Parts: sequence; C-alpha cells; structure tokens
Amino acid sequence: GESVGLHLPTLSVQEGDNSIINCAYSNSASDYFIWYKQESGKGPQFIIDIRSNMDKRQGQRVTVLLNKTVKHLSLQIAATQPGDSAVYFCAENKGDEKLTFGTGTRLTIIP
Amino acid sequence: DAGVTQSPTHLIKTRGQQVTLRCSPKSGHDTVSWYQQALGQGPQFIFQYYEEEERQRGNFPDRFSGHQFPNYSSELNVNALLLGDSALYLCASSSEPDTQYFGPGTRLTVL
Repeated sequence: GESVGLHLPTLSVQEGDNSIINCAYSNSASDYFIWYKQESGKGPQFIIDIRSNMDKRQGQRVTVLLNKTVKHLSLQIAATQPGDSAVYFCAENKGDEKLTFGTGTRLTIIP
Repeated sequence: DAGVTQSPTHLIKTRGQQVTLRCSPKSGHDTVSWYQQALGQGPQFIFQYYEEEERQRGNFPDRFSGHQFPNYSSELNVNALLLGDSALYLCASSSEPDTQYFGPGTRLTVL
C-alpha cells in the first residue's frame, strides 16, 4: 500500500549538534517530497523540497537527501538551535497535488 | 505579502451541528487544499479546489463539503458533527504545480 512513514517518533539532540530525521516511503511513483516543520499550535511550515530526479538539495542549514533505491529520504539540520524544536513531517506528492504525510518526528533540542 | 489566513482560530460545537471554516490563499495562489490533523497525527487530505471545482478528494464522507470563490478563497463545511471530527483543520494554497503553503489552522472541538 501507499505510505509515508518515519523511523523514529522522537529525537533529542544537543544544541549545536547536527540533527538527522529520516523518512521512508513505499510508492515508487512518488516524484516530489517536501519537509515541513510544525511548531505547537501552528500550521506546517515549508522547509525544503526535492524532486525524484535529484539525490540531494541544500538550503540554509538544511539538507535533504533522497535515496530512491531504498525509498528513503532524510532531513539534516546543521548546528541545531532551540528554535528548531518542533515536529517534522515528510510529505509525498505523486503528481496529483495531494500531499500524503507521515506521522512526524518530534525534535527536542537539549541546551 | 500576507500568507495563508484561516478563520476562526478556534471553534467549539456540539454533536450534530454544522460548521463552516474559511481560508484565504496566499497572494498569487489559485489552488486551495484542506487537511484534517488529529492530535499527534500527520495531516490527512480532505479535498482540493481549483477553478471553483473540487479536483481531488481524500477518504472523507460526504458530510465534508467545500466551495471555492472567484477570488480563490475557500470554505470547508462539515455537517452532522461527530466527536471524531475534533481536530486541527488546515488550509494550504499553491500555484500549481508548486509547493503547498499552510495556514495556521482552525482548532475545532466537538462536544
């Protein structure tokens, strides 16, 4: 079946360290993936996206890696800060403009 | 440039009642999608509107209906409310086929 899931529901990282959040997907037809950050009481905030014809994309302090062979993508956050504490979702778009979300990973930054 | 806005912020209803939620898309966006997010879960796609027509629909009953106006704003209507309809309702806008940007959501509580 179709699904977008996350390996770890929670992740605690020391402030200043790098964070890696993982996501698995099962639909090989998916061609577009997005990472969102959701803080408590707010809507999801776009972080970075990647299309299936790419393996890696970098933004400001964030990098998304896509491994189509094992249907896995990851979000790397460099030098994590207290403001990075949130729930992170990966979302999958199969070209029909409908996003399929996983359950999310809660990232906690330890001072 | 205003982002996606939603109203109201919070809403309390009783079982059997009807509710209307509103969304104004980001400037320049013509597509509006609605999602339901239960506590501790990822957003679930309800439906999408484009050119005032419902273009995509997720696995939600007919009690959930919507509308898009000529100015691209949208409404989500839910009839015969159930306790299980309590959730955060998110609106996302896009200028197809681009990324969806989310509003802050409307927190609906059904008693």
